[in-house]
Amino acid sequence: DSGVTQTPKHLITATGQRVTLRCSPRSGDLSVYWYQQSLDQGLQFLIQYYNGEERAKGNILERFSAQQFPDLHSELNLSSLELGDSALYFCASSPRVRQNTEAFFGQGTRLTVV
Amino acid sequence: DQQVKQNSPSLSVQEGRISILNCDYTNSMFDYFLWYKKYPAEGPTFLISISSIKDKNEDGRFTVFLNKSAKHLSLHIVPSQPGDSAVYFCAASASVSGGGADGLTFGKGTHLIIQP
Repeated sequence: DSGVTQTPKHLITATGQRVTLRCSPRSGDLSVYWYQQSLDQGLQFLIQYYNGEERAKGNILERFSAQQFPDLHSELNLSSLELGDSALYFCASSPRVRQNTEAFFGQGTRLTVV
Repeated sequence: DQQVKQNSPSLSVQEGRISILNCDYTNSMFDYFLWYKKYPAEGPTFLISISSIKDKNEDGRFTVFLNKSAKHLSLHIVPSQPGDSAVYFCAASASVSGGGADGLTFGKGTHLIIQP
């Protein structure tokens, strides 16, 4: 158990809909990272928050957004969903600003868009 | 444009022998490299990392070697055990100007199979 909790574990929704994925980091970790793992792309960095502020952006679509709340949990919002958004979405947390040492990943949320 | 490449999608090794997983990168700004292990239905688990100022880092059965001139790193597992069967991801990190942070750039993974 990494100590990072992601909910829900599975999500099935229709194209055009909007969903929210939730991540609770390990106790004391200030950084939260979101990654997308699709079948042919491997793990792709989406966005990072550190202590409530956005710190880095990767390959995140404009239809996607995230935030980190005062209690440090984070939510990833995906809107106007397309079939190609079907993927595993992972959250990771670390105590530091930079993810250059170990970071702890949750079990992921499997999103299926039909 | 894949900046971190793991050219072997799978690797089969006999139990007790050495497993060598390879990774190549193209971005000269990467200064930290990590290996993660992933079992099905679980998130990636951190294994070992290495800074670009070093050429070797060892932790128990796991050793990572970095060849900066060749932009190549490898993970050695000795001896290989059945529980090592998993997908291994190579990842790299680059510092961002202004002291900012950056996410990891991952390879597509190598599925290691340890045969009894």
